[in-house]
Amino acid sequence: GQNIDQPTEMTATEGAIVQINCTYQTSGFNGLFWYQQHAGEAPTFLSYNVLDGLEEKGRFSSFLSRSKGYSYLLLKELQMKDSASYLCAVRDSNYQLIWGAGTKLIIKP
Amino acid sequence: ETGVTQTPRHLVMGMTNKKSLKCEQHLGHNAMYWYKQSAKKPLELMFVYNFKEQTENNSVPSRFSPECPNSSHLFLHLHTLQPEDSALYLCASSQEDGQGSSEQYFGPGTRLTVT
Repeated sequence: GQNIDQPTEMTATEGAIVQINCTYQTSGFNGLFWYQQHAGEAPTFLSYNVLDGLEEKGRFSSFLSRSKGYSYLLLKELQMKDSASYLCAVRDSNYQLIWGAGTKLIIKP
Repeated sequence: ETGVTQTPRHLVMGMTNKKSLKCEQHLGHNAMYWYKQSAKKPLELMFVYNFKEQTENNSVPSRFSPECPNSSHLFLHLHTLQPEDSALYLCASSQEDGQGSSEQYFGPGTRLTVT
């Protein structure tokens, strides 16, 4: 079966750095997405990786290793507004998105 | 209106009722999706429409019936639902170019409670 694994919940301190991991086992791979979802709101797109390596976008970076079936989202200089759920999703060989259950990130002052 | 809109935002219905959820995208995209989101579970893809043609139906019970009259509008018709159908129903759209790199844009969702 297809599976995406992420930690259920993480806690970090304002101003610090946090890394949210995602491992996947899917039938084929056609890209990996990270989305942010604030409580009661729609998921919003953060990043896309299809080749190995690091993609940087301001305070957020996303890394991919296809050989390891692994990705992480790195958030720097954490702000209170970063408290949200972070969803990892992989597009499989049929171009269907397989979603993880999300990681709830709690930022403390 | 911009982005993806959904109505209603909240819906409470009995198991014998019939209701419809509406989604509209103002982005000129060619694909639209219905997802179910339950607490602490992954997003479940229900239906996909590409160029108004249904391309995915992930074993969704027949009490959920989608309709896509044009590339901007998507409906989810509900009838004789069960309490376990209570969830957040999200609509999304994307511009698919066959490369698989397009991100999906989500609406705010409809919080459905079945009593």
